[in-house]
Amino acid sequence: EAGVTQSPTHLIKTRGQQATLRCSPISGHTSVYWYQQALGLGLQFLLWYDEGEERNRGNFPPRFSGRQFPNYSSELNVNALELEDSALYLCASRTRGLNTEAFFGQGTRLTVV
Amino acid sequence: SQQGEEDPQALSIQEGENATMNCSYKTSINNLQWYRQNSGRGLVHLILIRSNEREKHSGRLRVTLDTSKKSSSLLITASRAADTASYFCGGSNNDMRFGAGTRLTVKP
Repeated sequence: EAGVTQSPTHLIKTRGQQATLRCSPISGHTSVYWYQQALGLGLQFLLWYDEGEERNRGNFPPRFSGRQFPNYSSELNVNALELEDSALYLCASRTRGLNTEAFFGQGTRLTVV
Repeated sequence: SQQGEEDPQALSIQEGENATMNCSYKTSINNLQWYRQNSGRGLVHLILIRSNEREKHSGRLRVTLDTSKKSSSLLITASRAADTASYFCGGSNNDMRFGAGTRLTVKP
């Protein structure tokens, strides 16, 4: 069974540009979570999608947005990129239920120059 | 806001020794999950403990949960050099929030 896949693996953008990151959850998983991990730091919660709806978002500006498609894959968009947006962006998916495990993809390394 | 806060931030031990990491969280949770991360890659799921469980084992891993203190611990017994990684705990209601992690170094 395929795990959570993220694309691209690496992305280099110029300050002010937009970045689009993609995540395909494990088959059967309806929830997708996005996290930002700056170098050497912990995971900061960005967004949670479930059944196509945004359920919660972390303490990030509105230029961080996303969506979930009918097949439960998800997209994270970051507009007006800033140097501080350089980080590893991780996606996780889980199936419905209170006590289900979440599985992570390998991440997208975004570098803003 | 973060949910889990790991302690210590860094831990260095010799191969064969036990490693204990602690995690505190802020709000009520349905479960708490521990993950390992190698060299800035994706997180690997280690163990999930439900809020009505006090202790859980998986191989060399032992996790405890004290909901009255909002804390959890992860014990890795007979550590190996391959256990060198960062370890994160995540408290889960519906969404999942993590702390800054514990960086474990196991010296051969």
